[in-house]
Amino acid sequence: NAGVMQNPRHLVRRRGQEARLRCSPMKGHSHVYWYRQLPEEGLKFMVYLQKENIIDESGMPKERFSAEFPKEGPSILRIQQVVRGDSAAYFCASSPLGQGDTEAFFGQGTRLTVV
Amino acid sequence: GNSVTQMEGPVTLSEEAFLTINCTYTATGYPSLFWYVQYPGEGLQLLLKATKADDKGSNKGFEATYRKETTSFHLEKGSVQVSDSAVYFCALPGSGGGADGLTFGKGTHLIIQP
Repeated sequence: NAGVMQNPRHLVRRRGQEARLRCSPMKGHSHVYWYRQLPEEGLKFMVYLQKENIIDESGMPKERFSAEFPKEGPSILRIQQVVRGDSAAYFCASSPLGQGDTEAFFGQGTRLTVV
Repeated sequence: GNSVTQMEGPVTLSEEAFLTINCTYTATGYPSLFWYVQYPGEGLQLLLKATKADDKGSNKGFEATYRKETTSFHLEKGSVQVSDSAVYFCALPGSGGGADGLTFGKGTHLIIQP
């Protein structure tokens, strides 16, 4: 059973470009969470999705950021018109149920560098 | 909302030393508590968890006891190894009971010297 797969592992974008980060949850998991980790910081929640639905996006910036988890295919975190401050590691986690009590399985992350 | 405070790092110890990483929390009710570990260049892995007061979570020689009186969940290990070098995160569900994911501490970087 493959773990949570994120790609790419490393992504370099120039200011103003778009970044697309992909996350394939573990088989059988329908709950996906995205987190952002800034240098020397813990992970900060961004968005929680189930198939075709955004459940909670309270941690996601209102502008330039969007996320989806379509019926088929991976979850996508999209950052439009990237700025230097978007440079961070972005982690996806999946779980069979909500993250309140059950273990969340994390991917290896996508490290975004904006130049 | 729910929050976590853990000791700042880096923490540098010699092999076979005793380890304690402090974690205290603020929460509504009695949520589950977690310790995650992050090895260099990797994602987070669940190390252990406790789901109710006085529970002790344990794994790979690490232990943590859920203490509601002191709102703490300190991580301990009796004899650390070089391979334990990593960043350790204390976490609990966000104020939304899981709908807003987990709330993490800032992490404690542990360095074990041979």
